Amino acid sequence: EVQLVESGGGLVQPGRSLKLSCAASGFTFSDYNMAWVRQAPKKGLEWVATISYDGSSTYYRDSVKGRFTISRDNAKSTLYLQMDSLRSEDTATYYCARAVDYFDYWGQGVMVTVSS
Amino acid sequence: EIVLTQSPTTMAASPGEKVTLTCRASSSVSYMHWYQQRSGASPKLWIYETSKLASGVPNRFSGSGSGTSYSLTINSMETEDAATYYCQQGSSYPWTFGGGTKLELK
Repeated sequence: EVQLVESGGGLVQPGRSLKLSCAASGFTFSDYNMAWVRQAPKKGLEWVATISYDGSSTYYRDSVKGRFTISRDNAKSTLYLQMDSLRSEDTATYYCARAVDYFDYWGQGVMVTVSS
Repeated sequence: EIVLTQSPTTMAASPGEKVTLTCRASSSVSYMHWYQQRSGASPKLWIYETSKLASGVPNRFSGSGSGTSYSLTINSMETEDAATYYCQQGSSYPWTFGGGTKLELK
């Protein structure tokens, strides 16, 4: 059974950093591209970033480019999202997802709140 | 960026009623994908590559479309189908989602 379990969320002040993790199991992690998708409170879904199966390629939405870094450790079957210079508009539930050009499995999500 | 516009934003359907949700893209896409999200839960892949049902999705659901116009149809509404449905394109970056259609039970 595919499982994706996010961790690392919480309350952080504007301008500070936070690193999310996503532990994957139930599939060969190194065979799949992975992504982060977020959802602000009471809002819709928003793609954040994608990383290729081997980590050689990364893609970001413009609003996080230069502030967020997606990475992976295939030996640990873990996906990461380093979030720097956080803004109030980054407040959301962040989901880890397995990516094709769609998202076939999702984690339970982790809440990130950016507030002073 | 390809903008996806879903309609209606909200709708209510009675059990047994046929339901059609639409998603229009600002530019042509190769495929459209759909997700179901129930309140308080993570989204689930529902339909992929326009018309393929994800594992476990009842066959009263179907998807169709091409180019810039796509739809998700429920042949006969059931209680468990009440949820928000999002369309999504992965044809070009940035990958984008529609704003969602909230489907309620009448």
